[in-house]
Amino acid sequence: DARVTQTPRHKVTEMGQEVTMRCQPILGHNTVFWYRQTMMQGLELLAYFRNRAPLDDSGMPKDRFSAEMPDATLATLKIQPSEPRDSAVYFCASGLPTGQVQGPPTEAFFGQGTRLTVV
Amino acid sequence: TQLLEQSPQFLSIQEGENLTVYCNSSSVFSSLQWYRQEPGEGPVLLVTVVTGGEVKKLKRLTFQFGDARKDSSLHITAAQPGDTGLYLCAGQFRFGNEKLTFGTGTRLTIIP
Repeated sequence: DARVTQTPRHKVTEMGQEVTMRCQPILGHNTVFWYRQTMMQGLELLAYFRNRAPLDDSGMPKDRFSAEMPDATLATLKIQPSEPRDSAVYFCASGLPTGQVQGPPTEAFFGQGTRLTVV
Repeated sequence: TQLLEQSPQFLSIQEGENLTVYCNSSSVFSSLQWYRQEPGEGPVLLVTVVTGGEVKKLKRLTFQFGDARKDSSLHITAAQPGDTGLYLCAGQFRFGNEKLTFGTGTRLTIIP
């Protein structure tokens, strides 16, 4: 049963510490998304990659957040330094576009998320 | 600024009843998606609608895209406890753009 795997599932850290979240996309999927979900803002796209190249990271605070794909089986989201306002559930999702350039979005399969608490 | 408003925010009904939830915006979307999210899980895509006025059915769930592509509704017939969850709509502003704007969500509880 193919699924997106995220680690860790839960993370509690102190303000100022570095946090790294990892994601293993579904094998064969070439598009990877990072989302953040909070009660106040709902679900927001932070960044996404296609074929390991970042295509849009406009939703990500550039000064403290960074996202990379070291290889096709691993995506990382790093926060340094972390702040209490970063507390949220961070989701990774992966998908495979249909090939239709001008069409609906890629169907994204979401992982279970990393619940981050910064104290 | 939240561009997609969903109503009601919370809904609790008895098993077997029918219900409709709404997703409204002042913006026009190229496509709109509906997701269901269960506690501790990520959202799962239910449907994508593309054409104004389009109606899609998924078993007991009926999705409709507004004629002007600014709103959508989800109707559930004979609700079951397994329908419990957070329902999210998400709009795509432009074809080819992977960025989705998610709605505020409707938290649905079906009481056995």
